[in-house]
Amino acid sequence: NAGVMQNPRHLVRRRGQEARLRCSPMKGHSHVYWYRQLPEEGLKFMVYLQKENIIDESGMPKERFSAEFPKEGPSILRIQQVVRGDSAAYFCASSYDRGGNQPQHFGDGTRLSIL
Amino acid sequence: DQQVKQNSPSLSVQEGRISILNCDYTNSMFDYFLWYKKYPAEGPTFLISISSIKDKNEDGRFTVFLNKSAKHLSLHIVPSQPGDSAVYFCAASASYKYIFGTGTRLKVLA
Repeated sequence: NAGVMQNPRHLVRRRGQEARLRCSPMKGHSHVYWYRQLPEEGLKFMVYLQKENIIDESGMPKERFSAEFPKEGPSILRIQQVVRGDSAAYFCASSYDRGGNQPQHFGDGTRLSIL
Repeated sequence: DQQVKQNSPSLSVQEGRISILNCDYTNSMFDYFLWYKKYPAEGPTFLISISSIKDKNEDGRFTVFLNKSAKHLSLHIVPSQPGDSAVYFCAASASYKYIFGTGTRLKVLA
């Protein structure tokens, strides 16, 4: 399967714990995007990363949230001290190139539930 | 401020008929538009896209129409099949950041 891989598929955390979501882009893709979807809403852009660089994190809350895409290994979205409002589906997408007419391809998401 | 709107939360169509899903946008800087299909517990699957220099793009049973003056795009599926039942999201972009609508749930009745 050469698609975008996300794990875990489901993650349950208690308030105050940390959540780590992983994303391996499609083979050959070096551009990674994270989106969040709340129930009955569309996906909302959070952050755009290229290898080792954060290009745009304008959609990500300034506190508690961070993202990285190291030279080796998957991209990680990290949420510290989770709160109930963090419960959502988090989707990662990747593309071969930035912008232009290159569609982003999505993984199956991580469903985060906060108890 | 909802820059991309899908005003119909749901749509039911008989198998074999045409399904028309609509999407409106407000930002005239958007130059690339896409449709994604999403099944429950899965990620959005890319269906078809169109750049702002075109007004129509076709791929098999799927056709996307873009009316820039009205800031409106639509997805036509013909003939509709039961397997097309899913939530359809339109998205618009001026660069790498996709702005999604809230989705339309399509149900194709056998």
